[in-house]
Amino acid sequence: EIVLTQSPATLSLSPGERATLSCRASQSVSNYLAWYQQKPGQAPRLLIYDASNRATGIPGRFRGSGSGTDFTLTISSLEPEDFAVYYCQQRGKGTFGQGTKLEIK
Amino acid sequence: EVQLLESGGGLLQPGGSLRLSCAASGFTFSSYAMSWVRQAPGKGLEWVSTIPGSGGSTFYADSVRGRFTISRDNSKDTLFLQMHSLGAEDTAVYYCAKHTDFSPSRSYFDRWGQGTLVTVSS
Repeated sequence: EIVLTQSPATLSLSPGERATLSCRASQSVSNYLAWYQQKPGQAPRLLIYDASNRATGIPGRFRGSGSGTDFTLTISSLEPEDFAVYYCQQRGKGTFGQGTKLEIK
Repeated sequence: EVQLLESGGGLLQPGGSLRLSCAASGFTFSSYAMSWVRQAPGKGLEWVSTIPGSGGSTFYADSVRGRFTISRDNSKDTLFLQMHSLGAEDTAVYYCAKHTDFSPSRSYFDRWGQGTLVTVSS
């Protein structure tokens, strides 16, 4: 079973700053990786699929990259509504990473 | 507009059973795989179970295999999760999630319901 490890567990930044979140797979998942955003009290929302494709309606400031075992979600300039928990997930499998909480500094 | 509406959650004692439902609308239900994902209070997301669009082979997390059964009624656009032998570790918000494809192996979760809370406590 492939394990997804996200880092850091918590990231403290200010609006306008750039956020870089990492997801590492225990073995290659090719580019079959997604990123989800979850705000308190809400269901998760698909942001990125197949490592680098933005889902419908996702702003351009969200960018996914990587392949194989190392993946990155970059938010170029944080908006107040971007502070949330982010999860990565392997396509087709249920496995999620443990999440990165992006909080306001 | 795609909508997923879960129901059936509640408070029950350890060892009990419960059936969750997820009513879908706004898309051709039978054309997409569906899953249940849960989230314990203050914890991360845990995939529970998946069923293809046709309702054929089903898939389960090790933590629920043998206790939970996923099914779907494509004539009623409804997804189900039958849960037995519930324990405190099953306490969570249960989300139903629509896949991006008929086949689970080729897809992600692009729509989620708002979730239904299951609390197992004596």
